[in-house]
Amino acid sequence: GAVVSQHPSWVICKSGTSVKIECRSLDFQATTMFWYRQFPKQSLMLMATSNEGSKATYEQGVEKDKFLINHASLTLSTLTVTSAHPEDSSFYICSAAVGGYEQYFGPGTRLTVT
Amino acid sequence: QKEVEQNSGPLSVPEGAIASLNCTYSDRGSQSFFWYRQYSGKSPELIMFIYSNGDKEDGRFTAQLNKASQYVSLLIRDSQPSDSATYLCAVNVQAGTALIFGKGTTLSVSS
Repeated sequence: GAVVSQHPSWVICKSGTSVKIECRSLDFQATTMFWYRQFPKQSLMLMATSNEGSKATYEQGVEKDKFLINHASLTLSTLTVTSAHPEDSSFYICSAAVGGYEQYFGPGTRLTVT
Repeated sequence: QKEVEQNSGPLSVPEGAIASLNCTYSDRGSQSFFWYRQYSGKSPELIMFIYSNGDKEDGRFTAQLNKASQYVSLLIRDSQPSDSATYLCAVNVQAGTALIFGKGTTLSVSS
């Protein structure tokens, strides 16, 4: 299957700082990438849909000024958590669409805000 | 509201048995159907996808789709303890849009 990478795999930051998470499709071009958040023992929650060269579409309740998404190329999308707070601590996962329907997930980034 | 329903489980089966995971979806316009496996603390891994009515087999896994009943299932033959995980059913209505996930079924395979 298609390979999606994320960096970093885990990060600890202080409250009030910003953190950038990268999502890359390694062996294919992804016109669309998706960002999810997952709290312990809960379901995946879609945060936003990211299309190359255009603004991301955010799900209801997700603050676009807090979670900045940039899809600069067909292989890279970034999520920046600005002014992070402890309640932003979560598992952030990206996925990339192949051929329109199939989606492959990155390994995820575990964010801890102290 | 587009919904995907799964029994949360846990579904417990002995090693070597067949595990049957079920999923229903509400949107008749759904085009493609996916099963993901998620181990605790890890991201989901795509196991199977199916687009047409009927069965699709891949190794020990068989996906079954019945669009008339809006039902999709995953059978795991010769279940192994390493199959113990949460299985997520997902559907897609339109290419390029986000998958709609069920809440997942936890499978436990005992040795």
